[in-house]
Amino acid sequence: KQEVTQIPAALSVPEGENLVLNCSFTDSAIYNLQWFRQDPGKGLTSLLLIQSSQREQTSGRLNASLDKSSGRSTLYIAASQPGDSATYLCAGGDKAAGNKLTFGGGTRVLVKP
Amino acid sequence: EAQVTQNPRYLITVTGKKLTVTCSQNMNHEYMSWYRQDPGLGLRQIYYSMNVEVTDKGDVPEGYKVSRKEKRNFPLILESPSPNQTSLYFCASSHTPLTRRSISYEQYFGPGTRLTVT
Repeated sequence: KQEVTQIPAALSVPEGENLVLNCSFTDSAIYNLQWFRQDPGKGLTSLLLIQSSQREQTSGRLNASLDKSSGRSTLYIAASQPGDSATYLCAGGDKAAGNKLTFGGGTRVLVKP
Repeated sequence: EAQVTQNPRYLITVTGKKLTVTCSQNMNHEYMSWYRQDPGLGLRQIYYSMNVEVTDKGDVPEGYKVSRKEKRNFPLILESPSPNQTSLYFCASSHTPLTRRSISYEQYFGPGTRLTVT
């Protein structure tokens, strides 16, 4: 059974600093890995999806990597802004169950002006 | 605009009063799913559907029912709600990898339904 962990649970950085968010998973047969952003009390906004055959994906200031052998994914956010303050969730996809996502607990990020 | 919609967004009800939360997507996705989000427990899958008339239990299906009569709709039914079903519910959809097409399997989430059962 896939287990996904995100450490730390909370992170505070000054504006302009690069953010590094970690995600680890136990089953290397992961089909894909998706990063989401969630604002308090709101829905999930998809940031990046990495298929198992890929090593990384980039979108603007965001870059996500995937290392199946070590069971890790990392989300990098360059030059953080106060608007980046949110909870970031990673989730591993299971092909056998259609596209079931197993979520980590999230990292709550605060970017201080 | 590609989207997943849920209704209602907020609902307060009493124990035992049947309710339905609707979910609809306009992206022709085969796969649809329901999750609940609780503090300290994160997001957990309730039920999922691979396609029309094909549904299966997720990790926490007790107390819930679903149906998939049309591709675009996937309602969540609580026949006899209880206080432990108070939660934030999300519907999601995507193409399924089992279709073997070179398309994105990115999963899209609805805005959420906050349910309180008293």
